[in-house]
Amino acid sequence: ETGVTQTPRHLVMGMTNKKSLKCEQHLGHNAMYWYKQSAKKPLELMFVYSLEERVENNSVPSRFSPECPNSSHLFLHLHTLQPEDSALYLCASSQVWGGLSLAGDPTDTQYFGPGTRLTVL
Amino acid sequence: DQQVKQNSPSLSVQEGRISILNCDYTNSMFDYFLWYKKYPAEGPTFLISISSIKDKNEDGRFTVFLNKSAKHLSLHIVPSQPGDSAVYFCAASGNQFYFGTGTSLTVIP
Repeated sequence: ETGVTQTPRHLVMGMTNKKSLKCEQHLGHNAMYWYKQSAKKPLELMFVYSLEERVENNSVPSRFSPECPNSSHLFLHLHTLQPEDSALYLCASSQVWGGLSLAGDPTDTQYFGPGTRLTVL
Repeated sequence: DQQVKQNSPSLSVQEGRISILNCDYTNSMFDYFLWYKKYPAEGPTFLISISSIKDKNEDGRFTVFLNKSAKHLSLHIVPSQPGDSAVYFCAASGNQFYFGTGTSLTVIP
């Protein structure tokens, strides 16, 4: 496997279910991200992990719980979601978070996984 | 308030002609700009970027132009090919990444 992978690709769940989304990056990156993409809206950053520590949490409801056990894996645990949470959830990784290389070009270019299409019934 | 805007939700261009996708931003502190391309059922893939210290970056058929005074950047694709048909997202980097809503490009054979 190369790049950023996400499983499952599609998920349908009821409002009382508990499920988890998994992301794995094979790029040797140190930063990982969760984004939500809803129809006709910009990508919304949810969480950022840098060196396995959470560095950003953009006012995301507690029914979304991230976990980063190591720099290659990122999970998003889902619990008692609402129908409006139905969206495409994208994972991304970058070499560093907010970094600047010696050449002056940022090293935080993000590489995305294919996403998980989540439907909450 | 949206800090990165792509005001054209869609664009159709004839094969072989130039495609110009536009993006406007509001925060003058952004220091790095990127374009991503997204096919259906796939995540966005990085296409090309530009640092705020430059005004042009070229990579093959793709060129990004940055006009800092106008807070505007554009992506030029020439010549356009049918395989370029996708949604293109503009992004800006400040304390985090901010994405536009995307422009769906259709290249007509």
